[in-house]
Amino acid sequence: DQQVKQNSPSLSVQEGRISILNCDYTNSMFDYFLWYKKYPAEGPTFLISISSIKDKNEDGRFTVFLNKSAKHLSLHIVPSQPGDSAVYFCAASDGAGSYQLTFGKGTKLSVIP
Amino acid sequence: DTGVSQNPRHKITKRGQNVTFRCDPISEHNRLYWYRQTLGQGPEFLTYFQNEAQLEKSRLLSDRFSAERPKGSFSTLEIQRTEQGDSAMYLCASSPANYEQYFGPGTRLTVT
Repeated sequence: DQQVKQNSPSLSVQEGRISILNCDYTNSMFDYFLWYKKYPAEGPTFLISISSIKDKNEDGRFTVFLNKSAKHLSLHIVPSQPGDSAVYFCAASDGAGSYQLTFGKGTKLSVIP
Repeated sequence: DTGVSQNPRHKITKRGQNVTFRCDPISEHNRLYWYRQTLGQGPEFLTYFQNEAQLEKSRLLSDRFSAERPKGSFSTLEIQRTEQGDSAMYLCASSPANYEQYFGPGTRLTVT
């Protein structure tokens, strides 16, 4: 039972354009959401996060939007750069006890020069 | 470099052997996590330490797996009598007691 779903395994975008990565979740107890970026042979790198009390968080070229009623979040990257090519994981936590993260399967982003 | 470090980076072992991995978290972080990632999947939670206390274990952590964090600093994850299904990337993460976790580079285990 996948509680965090990333339904697009891959996405290709032209350099300079917007990349939009989507994530859906089913557990209404999740109250904090994070995006991680992963290059091959490396561990996931924290990118940006959002609390459930907000609907938007921005950090430079990266913006995360949260729609609680739809149980949906998205990561926008503007403008996309070739160095953004990586696998992006959406993760969620219910803040109970361990704050363990539940991850989606990831979306592989390819930014074409 | 003051990030999370893991050793070894790669381990190849024969089925039935025991293996041990080490994680050194970011020094001021009191929370430490182990995750496992298999091909095409996201990381899956295995276990969690707050300081030296192991407070939570996933049902994924069978009896063959044991983890320790003896002085609340580094941690070890041991797998006894390895099976081919144990082949995966084992990731360690640390956190300063909030939601954000910082991952190490992982240990890739291959069981032949």
